[in-house]
Amino acid sequence: AQSVTQPDIHITVSEGASLELRCNYSYGATPYLFWYVQSPGQGLQLLLKYFSGDTLVQGIKGFEAEFKRSQSSFNLRKPSVHWSDAAEYFCAVGVDTGNQFYFGTGTSLTVIP
Amino acid sequence: KAGVTQTPRYLIKTRGQQVTLSCSPISGHRSVSWYQQTPGQGLQFLFEYFSETQRNKGNFPGRFSGRQFSNSRSEMNVSTLELGDSALYLCASSLDPGLSYNEQFFGPGTRLTVL
Repeated sequence: AQSVTQPDIHITVSEGASLELRCNYSYGATPYLFWYVQSPGQGLQLLLKYFSGDTLVQGIKGFEAEFKRSQSSFNLRKPSVHWSDAAEYFCAVGVDTGNQFYFGTGTSLTVIP
Repeated sequence: KAGVTQTPRYLIKTRGQQVTLSCSPISGHRSVSWYQQTPGQGLQFLFEYFSETQRNKGNFPGRFSGRQFSNSRSEMNVSTLELGDSALYLCASSLDPGLSYNEQFFGPGTRLTVL
């Protein structure tokens, strides 16, 4: 069965520091991979997505993610975190048998001034 | 282009009651999915509708149901509410994926509190 694991429930970083949020998935075929961000009281906003091709994808707000098939991972990175990046981050796998997503449980990011 | 809208944004009900939530997708989007978000479980897929038909269903009891109208607007209904149904209910819309995959666009959610 498909599943998505985000091993870090909560991460705290200092403003200006680098960030890496981990995501591992379980899926038999090449997945469609997504990272979403959710600010308090808001819906989810797409940061970036991977369908095929270059395994390093660039997203909005300076985020990037790298697909590593051998590790079944799709980690999200940002070289320098801003206070406005404090939010909940969700990794998701899209399954090409219907329009269905599987989400991780999320990683809450706190940014210290 | 307007985003996904959900009404109402907040709702308070008591156990045993039923509730109906509404979702209007982005214009032109024909697929609507519903998710339940709780602090302990994250986002759980409820169901997906396309062209007025339920195409996918998650692992939720029959108290949770939905429908889609010809204009792609969707409603979900929860009957005989339980305390554990308190959650943020998110709606997401996307184009008909066809042979390729389309991203989902999320609404702001409806916060349901069951007392």
